[in-house]
Amino acid sequence: DAGVTQSPTHLIKTRGQQVTLRCSPKSGHDTVSWYQQALGQGPQFIFQYYEEEERQRGNFPDRFSGHQFPNYSSELNVNALLLGDSALYLCASSRGRGRVNTEAFFGQGTRLTVV
Amino acid sequence: DAKTTQPPSMDCAEGRAANLPCNHSTISGNEYVYWYRQIHSQGPQYIIHGLKNNETNEMASLIITEDRKSSTLILPHATLRDTAVYYCIVNFGNEKLTFGTGTRLTIIP
Repeated sequence: DAGVTQSPTHLIKTRGQQVTLRCSPKSGHDTVSWYQQALGQGPQFIFQYYEEEERQRGNFPDRFSGHQFPNYSSELNVNALLLGDSALYLCASSRGRGRVNTEAFFGQGTRLTVV
Repeated sequence: DAKTTQPPSMDCAEGRAANLPCNHSTISGNEYVYWYRQIHSQGPQYIIHGLKNNETNEMASLIITEDRKSSTLILPHATLRDTAVYYCIVNFGNEKLTFGTGTRLTIIP
């Protein structure tokens, strides 16, 4: 079991550009959540996808959008990049939105640097 | 906002048990206590979770007080690889995780 995989591992973009990050969930998992972690802070929830729809969203602007595919993999898109978007972006997968007593597993993250 | 309170940092000697406390006085009856840790620049790693009974797995033990207002994560024989930031989170299960600032645990050789 490969666990949660994210790509790319590192990325450098210019302010104003757009970026797409990718996540493949752990085998058997159907729910994908995305988090942003700025340097020195804890991860902040961006949104969660289940059954190809955004189910829950954190306090992030519409520049942040996502998608989930039928195979449960997911993408995070960020438009009009700002310097403040520089962070570690984490994907977490879990089984069955709405289930209790279940745990989430995280990927190793994508380090995005906006210059 | 995070619904838990943890000390910002702790030290533990290598080979000794590391006991990490967490206060969650506003926990609701069907919320679980989860522990994750994050080693520098890596993704958070799930450790253990529990509702009201003590739990043990290959990584750690979780002791939850009877009133469920606090808990302790125990790493029985700490090694240098246990140096990390440890997050205590209360959650119903499969919903967004609200991370606080965690406890930075340093294992001393």
